[in-house]
Amino acid sequence: DSGVTQTPKHLITATGQRVTLRCSPRSGDLSVYWYQQSLDQGLQFLIQYYNGEERAKGNILERFSAQQFPDLHSELNLSSLELGDSALYFCASSPDLGGVKNIQYFGAGTRLSVL
Amino acid sequence: AQSVAQPEDQVNVAEGNPLTVKCTYSVSGNPYLFWYVQYPNRGLQFLLKYITGDNLVKGSYGFEAEFNKSQTSFHLKKPSALVSDSALYFCAVRDMGGNNRLAFGKGNQVVVIP
Repeated sequence: DSGVTQTPKHLITATGQRVTLRCSPRSGDLSVYWYQQSLDQGLQFLIQYYNGEERAKGNILERFSAQQFPDLHSELNLSSLELGDSALYFCASSPDLGGVKNIQYFGAGTRLSVL
Repeated sequence: AQSVAQPEDQVNVAEGNPLTVKCTYSVSGNPYLFWYVQYPNRGLQFLLKYITGDNLVKGSYGFEAEFNKSQTSFHLKKPSALVSDSALYFCAVRDMGGNNRLAFGKGNQVVVIP
């Protein structure tokens, strides 16, 4: 168990809908990362938050947004869903931003199916 | 931009034989390299990392990786594969822009044949 908790494990919804994925980082970790894993794109970085503030953006669509709350949990919001958004969404956390000991630990993921 | 490449899609190996999963990297400066493993319906599990120091890095579950600067490679190895090692293996490199994000390779499916 990595200590990173993601809910829900599975999500089935329809095109055009909006969903929220939740992530609780490991105790003490300040940085949260979101990744998308799909068959055609592989594992892609979406967005990172550090201590409540957006730190880096990757290949994240404008329909997607995220935030990190004061208790350090994070939510990824996906709206106007399309079939191509079906994927496994991972959250990872790390203690800090850099340094030799800063390893990212991953949650089990949320599998999103858009029908 | 930092990137890694995993040239093979699938690696088949007989149980008890040595296992090698290949990774090459492209970075500006000194790389921070990682290997993760993903078992079916599970998240990614950290195996090992190279930051600096010894070129041979030892990690979890008997895995090790060899950093080779001249060949820009970071191959994952295990002397004797187990059936339970069958999984998807990802090589990754840390972004050097100060935000710690990872760029992953496409992944290698390892199949250990009993």
